[in-house]
Amino acid sequence: GEDVEQSLFLSVREGDSSVINCTYTDSSSTYLYWYKQEPGAGLQLLTYIFSNMDMKQDQRLTVLLNKKDKHLSLRIADTQTGDSAIYFCAEMGGSARQLTFGSGTQLTVLP
Amino acid sequence: SAVISQKPSRDICQRGTSLTIQCQVDSQVTMMFWYRQQPGQSLTLIATANQGSEATYESGFVIDKFPISRPNLTFSTLTVSNMSPEDSSIYLCSVIVGKTANTGELFFGEGSRLTVL
Repeated sequence: GEDVEQSLFLSVREGDSSVINCTYTDSSSTYLYWYKQEPGAGLQLLTYIFSNMDMKQDQRLTVLLNKKDKHLSLRIADTQTGDSAIYFCAEMGGSARQLTFGSGTQLTVLP
Repeated sequence: SAVISQKPSRDICQRGTSLTIQCQVDSQVTMMFWYRQQPGQSLTLIATANQGSEATYESGFVIDKFPISRPNLTFSTLTVSNMSPEDSSIYLCSVIVGKTANTGELFFGEGSRLTVL
């Protein structure tokens, strides 16, 4: 089956930029997603990008997609303590409309 | 976006019992999905809930264990049958929002956290 991989942990200082990386294997991905999960909560859709785009920016969030290398990244500018959470990368492949998730990256923002 | 309400938000259940989780959406949606998130893990798709027909299950999940209903375009239920401690998980409903299924906006409910003793 298709696979999505992320590093498990990332620590940054408050005010710095965070970059969370993700790789995937599905060459027929249509959309790629970033979700945020805070402790005890559900998944919050942060942003998503269509596979024919290479960048999307939304306020502090920048998504970069390298389709050739099947690499997706999420950059959070001016990271705040409220950004501490688990960030999941996910890809939607083909016509099935279902998501394949990465393992999640635990982002810790240090004061 | 969409407002997705799940009930119950959490429950503690006894081994061998069954529990039905409800998912209500504030707008009509074409596609609804049920995911499971085991403790400390990522999300795994259980099934796609199809309106007017049987759900489509992923490998490793069967209808007898996880019966699903989808009576209309705003509501679905997932039942976890004959529960064991291994079924302790967060169960999440998700929907694709948009006039057709050809849109990328896929939202999740807050999840139903089940603990099986």
